[in-house]
Amino acid sequence: AQRVTQPEKLLSVFKGAPVELKCNYSYSGSPELFWYVQYSRQRLQLLLRHISRESIKGFTADLNKGETSFHLKKPFAQEEDSAMYYCALSGLRGAQKLVFGQGTRLTINP
Amino acid sequence: GAGVSQSPRYKVAKRGQDVALRCDPISGHVSLFWYQQALGQGPEFLTYFQNEAQLDKSGLPSDRFFAERPEGSVSTLKIQRTQQEDSAVYLCASSLRTSGSYEQYFGPGTRLTVT
Repeated sequence: AQRVTQPEKLLSVFKGAPVELKCNYSYSGSPELFWYVQYSRQRLQLLLRHISRESIKGFTADLNKGETSFHLKKPFAQEEDSAMYYCALSGLRGAQKLVFGQGTRLTINP
Repeated sequence: GAGVSQSPRYKVAKRGQDVALRCDPISGHVSLFWYQQALGQGPEFLTYFQNEAQLDKSGLPSDRFFAERPEGSVSTLKIQRTQQEDSAVYLCASSLRTSGSYEQYFGPGTRLTVT
């Protein structure tokens, strides 16, 4: 079964502190993993994907196949990082549906 | 260019009414997806189109839900005899490609409230 688990519904950290949003998945095969973000009053948008292995807005995420995890990290949180974050997966072949976690609301306190 | 647009943005329906939700994908995008997002949950897949062909409708919760994309562009999600459990945000997403690494671009959603 395909499943994405984000164990924290809410996460609050202070500005300048490190941030880690957890994501675990189950999938039979090799999935593609994504992080989507939704800022207040904006639409859902792609933040990063594991295949590109890039850092976006200071965020990185490493796919750990052994632990089936794809945690999102940022060393120094900024107030503009406050948003709803969704971890998602899809198959690697073809245009595939996304399977989302329930999301984590990140709040950065000044 | 313009992103994915959806209309109406908000819809209130009385239980038992039929509703139609529209999605205008990004021009030239071949793939189109519909998702349902209940309050406090992540989006859940409903159905997928490649051009006008509906290739996957495994996520449609019941036969009251019907989607079409007759000309391979605009798509409509229709819900017949709405029930309270249909209350959710309905998201549409489009993607340029049909295979390989791709990005889905989301619309703003239609918030459906069934009273």
